[in-house]
Amino acid sequence: AQSVAQPEDQVNVAEGNPLTVKCTYSVSGNPYLFWYVQYPNRGLQFLLKYITGDNLVKGSYGFEAEFNKSQTSFHLKKPSALVSDSALYFCAVENNFNKFYFGSGTKLNVKP
Amino acid sequence: GAVVSQHPSWVICKSGTSVKIECRSLDFQATTMFWYRQFPKQSLMLMATSNEGSKATYEQGVEKDKFLINHASLTLSTLTVTSAHPEDSSFYICSASPVDETQYFGPGTRLLVL
Repeated sequence: AQSVAQPEDQVNVAEGNPLTVKCTYSVSGNPYLFWYVQYPNRGLQFLLKYITGDNLVKGSYGFEAEFNKSQTSFHLKKPSALVSDSALYFCAVENNFNKFYFGSGTKLNVKP
Repeated sequence: GAVVSQHPSWVICKSGTSVKIECRSLDFQATTMFWYRQFPKQSLMLMATSNEGSKATYEQGVEKDKFLINHASLTLSTLTVTSAHPEDSSFYICSASPVDETQYFGPGTRLLVL
């Protein structure tokens, strides 16, 4: 069975502190891994993706994610959070048949 | 590049009416388009996959007669919610995929059925 897990419904962090949003997956084959951000009543905005190569992927707005094959994880990170980073974050995997599986989403709250 | 648009961005309709949502790939040809549904504070759930010129493939539990999908050209797919009811109120997001590439997501359409 294909699945993506985001174990935290919500993550709270103070502005300027580092943030981590967790994601683990269970997908057969060699999936592509993605992070998207969604602001209220808006569609998904692409942040970054991992296909192959370097395990540390750098994306938009200072975000990065680390692919860990042994732990089947793809956690999203940012060294210094901004209040404007507050949004809903989705981890997703794309299998070999171009089909996406989304995690349940994690609400990030960055407090001033 | 790789921009996907949706129209309308939001729509309010009366119960029993039908609503059509358009999804367009603006700068590429999309051999495959996907329709997702998102309930408040929940994740995206794939409803169906459509390939240009053929019938859509619906996910389990999605009523094909309720949610009509047409992919008439390589840049346009439409989702028609027939005889809409309040429980159909949701955020509908489409995505489009060029050949051998990943999906690009539209901005979504908010549907409210009164």
